[in-house]
Amino acid sequence: QSVLTQPPSASGTPGQRVTISCSGSSSNIGSHTVNWYQQFPGTAPKLLIYSNNQRPSGVPDRFSGSKSGTSASLAISGLQSEDEADYYCAAWDGNLNGDVFGTGTKVTVL
Amino acid sequence: QVQLVESGGGVVQPGRSLRLSCAASGFTFSSYAIHWVRQAPGKGLEWVAAISFDGSVKFSAGSVKGRFTVSRDNSKNTLYLQMNSLRPDDTAVYYCVRDRYQLHEAAAGCFDVWGQGTMVTVSP
Repeated sequence: QSVLTQPPSASGTPGQRVTISCSGSSSNIGSHTVNWYQQFPGTAPKLLIYSNNQRPSGVPDRFSGSKSGTSASLAISGLQSEDEADYYCAAWDGNLNGDVFGTGTKVTVL
Repeated sequence: QVQLVESGGGVVQPGRSLRLSCAASGFTFSSYAIHWVRQAPGKGLEWVAAISFDGSVKFSAGSVKGRFTVSRDNSKNTLYLQMNSLRPDDTAVYYCVRDRYQLHEAAAGCFDVWGQGTMVTVSP
């Protein structure tokens, strides 16, 4: 079961800014870095943001991440139709000795 | 190119066993921790198990502890997941994923390379 809490959905019109929250605890987000993954239907997830706010090569700079305390957020600036996908946050959990994922957020471009 | 390719999925009856494999190429397999992550149909992602670069450290989720065992053969660039006592709620796509960091690091659990996944269906 998911340990990190995300809103089930988020939406915006093209060009808008959308923010997705991710809430955890001291054993995961509070003491480990946060990663974000993007998943399109029928495909494997892709690393979108790592170490709280780093973008892998090839990820557009309209995607950004931040972390404060036991929460994190992903922002998509200048929303585009191709950003319509599921987004998951994740972090290592020191109590569980394993990775924990968020519940997932479906982003819809109106 | 950097690649992970899973195999071994299929349909199996409850209580039976199955072994998944993950073949790595395009990078130095023996330098990376590797994990298994699964996704039940229509559901979110669930971390399953992890193994350190040299196989000396292993972790597994509570939902599979005592039933699933992760192992690796660095001479064959291959990761395995032995799944015993399978249950219907183990039905999922199983992904093999590479960790950008070592398991002892605070940034562990950063999955920068994913396989295409292999489907496991547990059904009578």
